[in-house]
Amino acid sequence: GNSVTQMEGPVTLSEEAFLTINCTYTATGYPSLFWYVQYPGEGLQLLLKATKADDKGSNKGFEATYRKETTSFHLEKGSVQVSDSAVYFCALSVGTGGFKTIFGAGTRLFVKA
Amino acid sequence: EPEVTQTPSHQVTQMGQEVILRCVPISNHLYFYWYRQILGQKVEFLVSFYNNEISEKSEIFDDQFSVERPDGSNFTLKIRSTKLEDSAMYFCASSLTGEGTEAFFGQGTRLTVV
Repeated sequence: GNSVTQMEGPVTLSEEAFLTINCTYTATGYPSLFWYVQYPGEGLQLLLKATKADDKGSNKGFEATYRKETTSFHLEKGSVQVSDSAVYFCALSVGTGGFKTIFGAGTRLFVKA
Repeated sequence: EPEVTQTPSHQVTQMGQEVILRCVPISNHLYFYWYRQILGQKVEFLVSFYNNEISEKSEIFDDQFSVERPDGSNFTLKIRSTKLEDSAMYFCASSLTGEGTEAFFGQGTRLTVV
């Protein structure tokens, strides 16, 4: 079946630290991969996406590269800010009829000043 | 920028009552979805809707749930007889096409069943 596994949180970092949140997936077919972010009290916002192998998605200093050989899509940021504190969800979309999005469990990030 | 709009933002209902959650997807999108997130847990797929019919549904989406697109703009989720365990954040989403395009999510409706 289709599933997403991401590292458990919470992750606590100091401002300007390097961030990595690991994500691996299992999919039947060729998925598109996404990172969504959920700030406190808000909905889900697309952070970045990649639709084929070796694509790099990037936005707001965050990056993730679609690695087909390792079925991974790890999220990275070189220097986090307090405002990056949120829950990050790795997700995939694959299918024939519904193209539903399948989410990982989410990783909560706390950034301290 | 176009966005998915959900109303109400918070709904409190008594167990056994019917609720209707409303969504206005992005106007040129063709695929519509409902997801649910129980507090502190993962986001779970409920149902997808395309061409005026359900294209896929999860095992969570039992006979107590239904969806409808009553006109050209609204997309609703109805829960016929709410249970305590239906308390969750419900997200509506839409996408332009299927494979390869991201889903755009609304801000969610927090449903509290008492």
